[in-house]
Amino acid sequence: DAGVIQSPRHEVTEMGQEVTLRCKPISGHDYLFWYRQTMMRGLELLIYFNNNVPIDDSGMPEDRFSAKMPNASFSTLKIQPSEPRDSAVYFCASSLGRDRRATEAFFGQGTRLTVV
Amino acid sequence: QKEVEQNSGPLSVPEGAIASLNCTYSDRGSQSFFWYRQYSGKSPELIMFIYSNGDKEDGRFTAQLNKASQYVSLLIRDSQPSDSATYLCAVKATGFQKLVFGTGTRLLVSP
Repeated sequence: DAGVIQSPRHEVTEMGQEVTLRCKPISGHDYLFWYRQTMMRGLELLIYFNNNVPIDDSGMPEDRFSAKMPNASFSTLKIQPSEPRDSAVYFCASSLGRDRRATEAFFGQGTRLTVV
Repeated sequence: QKEVEQNSGPLSVPEGAIASLNCTYSDRGSQSFFWYRQYSGKSPELIMFIYSNGDKEDGRFTAQLNKASQYVSLLIRDSQPSDSATYLCAVKATGFQKLVFGTGTRLLVSP
């Protein structure tokens, strides 16, 4: 398997523009996570899905952020409108929930977002 | 209080020494504990996990868990310059699949 695939790898956009980040989880994994990483706050969980259904979106910072998972092989994280404080590395991760203790999350390569 | 706390470092050790990385957590319902390594500009990758009190060894790595003290640590024996990275502690609570991460400890191993 190619692992978790994210696109784009880098995104530079102007404040106020819409940004869409994409993720393809590992085939067969039933959990998908979106994380944001900054120097100040570390790795923060934004939202996660189980079998394409959002389970916990309490980490989504505000209404400008939305995430969807229309099928088992694709998810998007959208920011509209984007702001400079959204600049961060956004990671998508997936896991297999069969072993409820040893949940290893496999991370994608991340999308480095810069909002100017 | 943060859910998972780590010293940001950097922790500097000479090559061949033992590096000791520590992590505390606040949720007593936490069930499983993970150590991830992240090289600069790369994504986190799992080193090992532990869910029973005591020690768990895997090669040069040993994870130690003390649930009573809400403390988990990672020991790296015979540290190598290639071990220089940020080490992230992650915690999973009972009944939940999400991992909550600490901010990481940066380890520097000098030749």
